[in-house]
Amino acid sequence: EAGVVQSPRYKIIEKKQPVAFWCNPISGHNTLYWYLQNLGQGPELLIRYENEEAVDDSQLPKDRFSAERLKGVDSTLKIQPAELGDSAVYLCASSSLLAGGSNEQFFGPGTRLTVL
Amino acid sequence: GESVGLHLPTLSVQEGDNSIINCAYSNSASDYFIWYKQESGKGPQFIIDIRSNMDKRQGQRVTVLLNKTVKHLSLQIAATQPGDSAVYFCAENMGNNAGNMLTFGGGTRLMVKP
Repeated sequence: EAGVVQSPRYKIIEKKQPVAFWCNPISGHNTLYWYLQNLGQGPELLIRYENEEAVDDSQLPKDRFSAERLKGVDSTLKIQPAELGDSAVYLCASSSLLAGGSNEQFFGPGTRLTVL
Repeated sequence: GESVGLHLPTLSVQEGDNSIINCAYSNSASDYFIWYKQESGKGPQFIIDIRSNMDKRQGQRVTVLLNKTVKHLSLQIAATQPGDSAVYFCAENMGNNAGNMLTFGGGTRLMVKP
């Protein structure tokens, strides 16, 4: 079974430029998460989707960050304009609530963003 | 604010020895805890989890201990192997559904010496 797919794996841009990340979750997983991970730190949740609905975006800096999951499958995360402090790894994860309560999150490899 | 944190940023062990990675949490409402392993260039990978109604859970070579009295979580790895070298994160869940709304700690790097 294919895991969570993210692209690109690496992205280098100059500040003030736009950038977009793409995520394809595990087939059948209705919940999708975007996390930001700074070097040496744990992931921090940016936004969580249940199908196509964003149910928690309280940590998403909405002045420059946006996300969408139009058909409840793939998702994109966009930054416009990017700032130097946005340099980090952007992780996507997905999960599927199973009978019994198990809702393990499966992570993709992440996109490493460098803003110059 | 409330947070999940780790005592040691780096742990170096000899191959074959046992490893213990510790984590402190401060939110008494957390009811589910997970340990993740993250290798360089990869996303976090689930290792083992434990619910707050348990104090110990064992997997293959790994054991998680939960002490709710002092809000402490530990991951024990038996017979540590070079492939165990990675950064380990504990995460807590405060939601109704296991796996949702995870709050991660800062991570401990485990280095296994051959």
